Amino acid sequence: DTGVSQDPRHKITKRGQNVTFRCDPISEHNRLYWYRQTLGQGPEFLTYFQNEAQLEKSRLLSDRFSAERPKGSFSTLEIQRTEQGDSAMYLCASSFGTIEAETQYFGPGTRLLVL
Amino acid sequence: QQQVKQSPQSLIVQKGGISIINCAYENTAFDYFPWYQQFPGKGPALLIAIRPDVSEKKEGRFTISFNKSAKQFSLHIMDSQPGDSATYFCAASGRTSYDKVIFGPGTSLSVIP
Repeated sequence: DTGVSQDPRHKITKRGQNVTFRCDPISEHNRLYWYRQTLGQGPEFLTYFQNEAQLEKSRLLSDRFSAERPKGSFSTLEIQRTEQGDSAMYLCASSFGTIEAETQYFGPGTRLLVL
Repeated sequence: QQQVKQSPQSLIVQKGGISIINCAYENTAFDYFPWYQQFPGKGPALLIAIRPDVSEKKEGRFTISFNKSAKQFSLHIMDSQPGDSATYFCAASGRTSYDKVIFGPGTSLSVIP
């Protein structure tokens, strides 16, 4: 399977714990995005990487959230001191960026439940 | 300016009928308009996409109609099938926003036999 993969697919944690999610993009894609999707809503942009550089962060991404993309390959999204409001599906997408907006391919998501 | 509006919120269509979902946008910097299909528990999957230099794009049973002057676009699903039952998101992106995709709120489509 050469699509975007995410791990874990599901995570249940207690409030106050830290969690980390991983995303492996399509191998030749230089752009990687994180989105958050709550029930009944469309995905909302969180942050974006061009290779290893994090170029934009949404105001939705509080200081408890941090994302990295070392070496411009896989990416991790960490949430510290989780809150019940963090419960959502966290989606990763990748694309091969040129001068035009290109198709983003989404992974299956990590569903987080904070108790 | 970043918002993408979508209607209806939910849609019930009989098998073989035409499903129509409408979207509108404000930001004229958008230059790419994808539609995504999402099944429960899955990530969104690209269905079909259009750029503003064409007014219509057809792929199989799926057609996008695009009206640049009105800043509106729509998805038509011909000969709708029960397997098409899913949530559909229209979206928009553009080079001026690092290509982040702005999604509409989604339309839940149910195709009944």
